[in-house]
Amino acid sequence: NAGVTQTPKFRILKIGQSMTLQCTQDMNHNYMYWYRQDPGMGLKLIYYSVGAGITDKGEVPNGYNVSRSTTEDFPLRLELAAPSQTSVYFCASRGLWAGYEQYFGPGTRLTVT
Amino acid sequence: GESVGLHLPTLSVQEGDNSIINCAYSNSASDYFIWYKQESGKGPQFIIDIRSNMDKRQGQRVTVLLNKTVKHLSLQIAATQPGDSAVYFCAETRISNFGNEKLTFGTGTRLTIIP
Repeated sequence: NAGVTQTPKFRILKIGQSMTLQCTQDMNHNYMYWYRQDPGMGLKLIYYSVGAGITDKGEVPNGYNVSRSTTEDFPLRLELAAPSQTSVYFCASRGLWAGYEQYFGPGTRLTVT
Repeated sequence: GESVGLHLPTLSVQEGDNSIINCAYSNSASDYFIWYKQESGKGPQFIIDIRSNMDKRQGQRVTVLLNKTVKHLSLQIAATQPGDSAVYFCAETRISNFGNEKLTFGTGTRLTIIP
């Protein structure tokens, strides 16, 4: 299993541009999460999903959108990029019956200038 | 509000010594705690977890201690190795019947192993 994969690894956006961060997991996990990590800080939850077709806001959802059309994929959309969205973005997943441990992807480093 | 905090932002330990990383939490309703390790340029990696009905749990070279009276969590790493150098995060959540558990992460402690 590849686990949780994220693309791209790095991206530079201009203010006002849009992009989608891709996240895929091959562990048949029901739960998926998007976090952002600012320098020297912990992770803050942006959005999460408990299954295909079901998403909910986390702690810092403003400026982002998500969809969950399949169990495997959980893309994160930035519509109008702002410098405050410069961060490292992590996707994670968790199985329904495997406890509460979340498995993380390698992250996407995004810079908005 | 709910928060998870760490006592020390950095910790340097001699290779072979034991290290202890501390974490304080404020939400007395939290009943599940996790320690994650994050190496530079990588995503967090699960180390060990503990439920609130336990005081101690041991893994391979790691032990987590939970003191619910003072809302304190610690991670002990025995016989530290260079590969243990990383940032360590504690995280907490309340277990829910609805599957909407959300982890709250602390700021992290950077552990540096001195050769």
